[in-house]
Amino acid sequence: GNSVTQMEGPVTLSEEAFLTINCTYTATGYPSLFWYVQYPGEGLQLLLKATKADDKGSNKGFEATYRKETTSFHLEKGSVQVSDSAVYFCALRGNSGGYQKVTFGIGTKLQVIP
Amino acid sequence: EAGVAQSPRYKIIEKRQSVAFWCNPISGHATLYWYQQILGQGPKLLIQFQNNGVVDDSQLPKDRFSAERLKGVDSTLKIQPAKLEDSAVYLCASSSRHLTSGGGETQYFGPGTRLLVL
Repeated sequence: GNSVTQMEGPVTLSEEAFLTINCTYTATGYPSLFWYVQYPGEGLQLLLKATKADDKGSNKGFEATYRKETTSFHLEKGSVQVSDSAVYFCALRGNSGGYQKVTFGIGTKLQVIP
Repeated sequence: EAGVAQSPRYKIIEKRQSVAFWCNPISGHATLYWYQQILGQGPKLLIQFQNNGVVDDSQLPKDRFSAERLKGVDSTLKIQPAKLEDSAVYLCASSSRHLTSGGGETQYFGPGTRLLVL
């Protein structure tokens, strides 16, 4: 079946540091890939997505590139802010049993300190 | 555009009691999902509806969990009787694309209902 593997957190960074959160996946066919963010006390929000190989999703300074050769979709940001503190979930949407199904990773907690 | 609404936001019950959660998806969204998110884990799909039909309920513990989506709009998720391990956040999400469409369908999530079973 489909699966998503994320680096375990928590990740603690100083403000303006470079962020990378690793995500790799296993899926048949050509899944779509997503990063969701969950701020404290809130529901999940879509951060960015990519629907085919070599696509780059970007939003709010975050980027991730769909790498089919390495089955990866790593999340990056050049300079994090305290307001980026949240839990980040990598997810894929792929074919499972004849219909589209979303599979989430376990989430990576990011804490940015001033 | 109004988002996905859920109620209640918090619920505390004792084991063996019953509980129900309600979800109102974004207007016009055909697909509705219920997820269970246990602390420290990613969301796990419990059930997926396409309009008022069930598409996938393979991970729904059917001996105690049930869900319905009457008229293809609102949905309720019920647990009867609850167990300690049911303590989690229950997330409802909706999307507009038909389930047979590929590509980057976006799910919109509600704020969740936090359940604590004592």
